[in-house]
Amino acid sequence: AQSVTQLGSHVSVSEGALVLLRCNYSSSVPPYLFWYVQYPNQGLQLLLKYTSAATLVKGINGFEAEFKKSETSFHLTKPSAHMSDAAEYFCAVSGSNQGGKLIFGQGTELSVKP
Amino acid sequence: DTGVSQDPRHKITKRGQNVTFRCDPISEHNRLYWYRQTLGQGPEFLTYFQNEAQLEKSRLLSDRFSAERPKGSFSTLEIQRTEQGDSAMYLCASSRTGANEKLFFGSGTQLSVL
Repeated sequence: AQSVTQLGSHVSVSEGALVLLRCNYSSSVPPYLFWYVQYPNQGLQLLLKYTSAATLVKGINGFEAEFKKSETSFHLTKPSAHMSDAAEYFCAVSGSNQGGKLIFGQGTELSVKP
Repeated sequence: DTGVSQDPRHKITKRGQNVTFRCDPISEHNRLYWYRQTLGQGPEFLTYFQNEAQLEKSRLLSDRFSAERPKGSFSTLEIQRTEQGDSAMYLCASSRTGANEKLFFGSGTQLSVL
């Protein structure tokens, strides 16, 4: 069985500050891990994906995430927040043989203050 | 690449009525997924197709729900005898099978059952 827990349903940062969105996973098989972003009235867009290669994964828009097996975590970071980063962020997990069947977390809404 | 399109964007219906949603995937994508997203939650997997074959259905997909992909291109999701609990955003995604499978999501159909 697989599951994802996102810690914090709302995160607020100032423009230029570090963004840290937390995600912990549970998986009985080696996981594939994902971060998606959803802007209002738009579909989900893939930010980055971990597939058992490098543990530090770089994504689009300056985001990156680090896979830590010992902590079962896959936290998303960005060194400097921009106003355009305000959106809903979802962490998701799947198995290597499960294709696009993803288990999503509940989401974290990121607000960026000027 | 015109992206994944879903129609309609919004649907308001009365309890007990039938509704049908359409999804047009990216043209060269052979897999198509349906997810459901309720307010404050992450998307939940409903079902998926590879070409015209429906390969998996979630337990969330009661017998009032039926999905088709008759020619391996567009897909329809029908809900019969709608209930207020069916109110949600219904998301469609498509992908191409392969080691680096990546989902592309549509903007969704927002269903409100009164």
